[in-house]
Amino acid sequence: GNSVTQMEGPVTLSEEAFLTINCTYTATGYPSLFWYVQYPGEGLQLLLKATKADDKGSNKGFEATYRKETTSFHLEKGSVQVSDSAVYFCALIPMNRDDKIIFGKGTRLHILP
Amino acid sequence: EPEVTQTPSHQVTQMGQEVILRCVPISNHLYFYWYRQILGQKVEFLVSFYNNEISEKSEIFDDQFSVERPDGSNFTLKIRSTKLEDSAMYFCASKNGRDQPQHFGDGTRLSIL
Repeated sequence: GNSVTQMEGPVTLSEEAFLTINCTYTATGYPSLFWYVQYPGEGLQLLLKATKADDKGSNKGFEATYRKETTSFHLEKGSVQVSDSAVYFCALIPMNRDDKIIFGKGTRLHILP
Repeated sequence: EPEVTQTPSHQVTQMGQEVILRCVPISNHLYFYWYRQILGQKVEFLVSFYNNEISEKSEIFDDQFSVERPDGSNFTLKIRSTKLEDSAMYFCASKNGRDQPQHFGDGTRLSIL
């Protein structure tokens, strides 16, 4: 079946550190891949997406590249800020489907000043 | 920017009681969804709704659950005879086209006592 696995949190980094949150997926064909972010007390917001192999999604300094060969979509940011503290969810929509999103468990990120 | 609005933010209900969770999707959106997240677990798809009918539902969405779009603005999730294991954060989402991203509300935290 379709599933998403992401690294366990919490992840604690100092401001300006480099961030990687690993995400791998299981799906047939070419699913669409997403990162959602949930800031404290708020709902899920789409951070970035990629819909085909080798596509790179980017937003707010975050990037993730759709790697078909490793079935991965790791989230990276070169220099994190305190305001990036949130829970990050890797997710997919299966190929030829446009309805349900399949989420990972989420990774809580704490950035220390 | 238009938002998906969910009320209440926190609902406390006695086991066995019925509860209705309310959502106001973004006004020109046509596709509607409910997801839930049990504490510490993944965000799980419950149901999708389009053209006044359910388009897909998960195994979780059994006869205890129902959805309704009673007027042009609200989208509700009804849980009959609530159980302890229904305690979770429930997210509503909507989108305005098949290839468009889903926009999420801030969620309703449901606590069953």
